[in-house]
Amino acid sequence: DGGITQSPKYLFRKEGQNVTLSCEQNLNHDAMYWYRQDPGQGLRLIYYSQIVNDFQKGDIAEGYSVSREKKESFPLTVTSAQKNPTAFYLCASTGNGGAGNQPQHFGDGTRLSIL
Amino acid sequence: GNSVTQMEGPVTLSEEAFLTINCTYTATGYPSLFWYVQYPGEGLQLLLKATKADDKGSNKGFEATYRKETTSFHLEKGSVQVSDSAVYFCALSGGTSYGKLTFGQGTILTVHP
Repeated sequence: DGGITQSPKYLFRKEGQNVTLSCEQNLNHDAMYWYRQDPGQGLRLIYYSQIVNDFQKGDIAEGYSVSREKKESFPLTVTSAQKNPTAFYLCASTGNGGAGNQPQHFGDGTRLSIL
Repeated sequence: GNSVTQMEGPVTLSEEAFLTINCTYTATGYPSLFWYVQYPGEGLQLLLKATKADDKGSNKGFEATYRKETTSFHLEKGSVQVSDSAVYFCALSGGTSYGKLTFGQGTILTVHP
């Protein structure tokens, strides 16, 4: 079945450590997105990519980095500069070049906590 | 910029009650509108969508109509079930933010037997 796979499901970060969240899709979608979800705040966009080797900052990019070397993969690194990383992270993708009328498909998320 | 405002939650209903979750938006141009549902510990699933004014999206007994004159996209269901308990998000795409979704804060729905 086609879909988006996020791993790991749970992740713990030590002080000063960078951690990388994986996102893989086999939907042949061009555009991919990373969101952060905090209780009572909905989802906020961290980074997005509409084509391989190109990505754009979202609303809360500070302390995060991404790469898009392959169409199907869009890993997110939470760096030590992100002082409040505890959250639920969701990856999404959409087809048709990210056209606004296309729905986004979501993975099952990674829950990141501080040790 | 774009913004979405949902009714405050949580919402608690008895089984077979009528559900309305209000959603209003601000956007320039002609955005597409979506309702997503999130079950505990999972990602978001598309519930329904509407891409132009007066369109009605529907799925699994849920409905929402794109009202440009009132900039609204309220979610309704005539008879809720316990299995509908989840978090519901209204979102828009387009306007000034091509391809990016802007979400409301989410509404927690709990349905009791």
